[in-house]
Amino acid sequence: SQQGEEDPQALSIQEGENATMNCSYKTSINNLQWYRQNSGRGLVHLILIRSNEREKHSGRLRVTLDTSKKSSSLLITASRAADTASYFCATVNRDDKIIFGKGTRLHILP
Amino acid sequence: EPEVTQTPSHQVTQMGQEVILRCVPISNHLYFYWYRQILGQKVEFLVSFYNNEISEKSEIFDDQFSVERPDGSNFTLKIRSTKLEDSAMYFCASRPDLEKTGELFFGEGSRLTVL
Repeated sequence: SQQGEEDPQALSIQEGENATMNCSYKTSINNLQWYRQNSGRGLVHLILIRSNEREKHSGRLRVTLDTSKKSSSLLITASRAADTASYFCATVNRDDKIIFGKGTRLHILP
Repeated sequence: EPEVTQTPSHQVTQMGQEVILRCVPISNHLYFYWYRQILGQKVEFLVSFYNNEISEKSEIFDDQFSVERPDGSNFTLKIRSTKLEDSAMYFCASRPDLEKTGELFFGEGSRLTVL
């Protein structure tokens, strides 16, 4: 299966700390995307990293991609209470199939 | 800002009944998708649709499921005879680009409860 697998499944940190989530996958990809989902809501795209990129930044988000290890990480710096959500990685293969992982539930403690 | 809209937000149905979930993708988008999510768990791919036909479908998307784009705006998912295990959130998503690997824009979902 190409499906991404995030870890940890759940993460609780203090507000202001950095949060790191990881995603591993099994087959070759065209790009990898990270999405966020607030409880009971739709998914919102955060950032896309292509297979020929190693690192990408967007505001407080930093994504890395290691295609040799088939893994990616999402770092959220200086976390805020509003960052509490589930975060999913999605792998996109050359046939355009977009497969989501199981997600990491992030809880920011005040 | 344009958005993907889904109706109904919540539907309760009896097992064996037909259900139609509706989606209005963003108007200039070309690729359409249905995903489902059971009880806040993983987001599962069901089907992708482009140029008025199915481009990919998963093993979940069996003969009980069908999709249609009956006019220029709506994109529907039909479940012919619902089962208890069809209870889930169903998300519609769309994508604009001819470069097929861009981001997806999701609707807020339709919660289906099968009794």
